[in-house]
Amino acid sequence: IQMTQSPSSVSASIGERVTITCRASQGINIWLAWYQQKPGKAPKLLIYGASNLQSGVPSRFSGSGAGTDFTLTISSLQPEDVATYFCQQANSFPITFGQGTRLEIK
Amino acid sequence: QVQLQQWGAGLLKPSETLSLTCAVSGGSLTGYYWSWIRQPPGKGLEWIGGINHDGYTNYNPSFTTQVTISIDTSKTQFFLNLTSVTAADTAMYYCGRGRRIAARPGHFDDCGQGTLVIVSS
Repeated sequence: IQMTQSPSSVSASIGERVTITCRASQGINIWLAWYQQKPGKAPKLLIYGASNLQSGVPSRFSGSGAGTDFTLTISSLQPEDVATYFCQQANSFPITFGQGTRLEIK
Repeated sequence: QVQLQQWGAGLLKPSETLSLTCAVSGGSLTGYYWSWIRQPPGKGLEWIGGINHDGYTNYNPSFTTQVTISIDTSKTQFFLNLTSVTAADTAMYYCGRGRRIAARPGHFDDCGQGTLVIVSS
């Protein structure tokens, strides 16, 4: 299953709402996860099951979608959110990831 | 709090075998799915394969001829072997703990710190 993220990069101001989308090449129900990766660090789980917030993740992060189209939203961008974000389909083998979205501060 | 600590040779020559170990502390191997993921420099994430605590494996078809993943539950460790490496195998390699949902592969809720492997003659 191919995962396509958009945009590939985004620049936003502090406090702004940011939306990243992920599209699966075939339906994956709600079996989608989102990760945040900061430079030199391992990916960190943010969202699983399309909309479930991982323990310890700030509530400004949210996920939605089902089937083939999914969204990660940051409600109010903070400086520490600068990172690359990846989606991952968790529905079937082989596990596949989106190509990533780089988020920067404007 | 589970911790995944990984290690292995960081510099290999073409045709050599990449071998990495991931040690799990603070938790059991049972009930989770243990995977290897890699990330070439400046690129995205690629799942290599994974294993259950009982030794059942799944591999990415892109790696089937090269890869073996194994597990030692007595040591709470799992392993990656990738044979006949080339420069294209240069990447950061991560081990990860997966949460399977029924027969689905699930998501990764914890990762090791990463091991940079460079393949160069």
